Amino acid sequence: DVKVTQSSRYLVKRTGEKVFLECVQDMDHENMFWYRQDPGLGLRLIYFSYDVKMKEKGDIPEGYSVSREKKERFSLILESASTNQTSMYLCASSGGLAGGGSEQFFGPGTRLTVL
Amino acid sequence: EDQVTQSPEALRLQEGESSSLNCSYTVSGLRGLFWYRQDPGKGPEFLFTLYSAGEEKEKERLKATLTKKESFLHITAPKPEDSATYLCAVSGYSTLTFGKGTMLLVSP
Repeated sequence: DVKVTQSSRYLVKRTGEKVFLECVQDMDHENMFWYRQDPGLGLRLIYFSYDVKMKEKGDIPEGYSVSREKKERFSLILESASTNQTSMYLCASSGGLAGGGSEQFFGPGTRLTVL
Repeated sequence: EDQVTQSPEALRLQEGESSSLNCSYTVSGLRGLFWYRQDPGKGPEFLFTLYSAGEEKEKERLKATLTKKESFLHITAPKPEDSATYLCAVSGYSTLTFGKGTMLLVSP
């Protein structure tokens, strides 16, 4: 079974802090994704990566950056956390083409609260 | 721009009362339609992939069908443990586009 793990289930940070969210997958998938999920807004794509050291902006990249130094690991960075970044963050991975046709497998999520 | 609309937003059923959830979509060149189940506070769990109109997939009490404009998730004789939010997503020439989900509550 595909396993996607995220470094924390719950995280509380203060405004202005630098925040790292880490994601690891064990299925040798080429593609990895970061989403945030908010009530009424659904899942929104922040960034994705289709190869090591490659990254592409999603629908809402502002205020975030990412890093993919190894194939199995994809990190989301909040350079200076703000209260409007309080959300559930979900990591996913998939094989095949990032552009489509492949199901994504999700991690358990990180509930981030920024005070 | 790819779009996905799910209806109803919420559905309450009695145990054993069968029903269907709808996912309407517009996409440039459908490469796949996906159904997920999400429990509160957890990540989405993959259920099905459908690739072409007329295709059907089944898993326990769930059956997903696909036409050129919509997909249905049929739930037969649901149980309380089927209570969850069900998400639909489509893949065209870009990454997945998700609907906002249908929250299903099955009462004993």
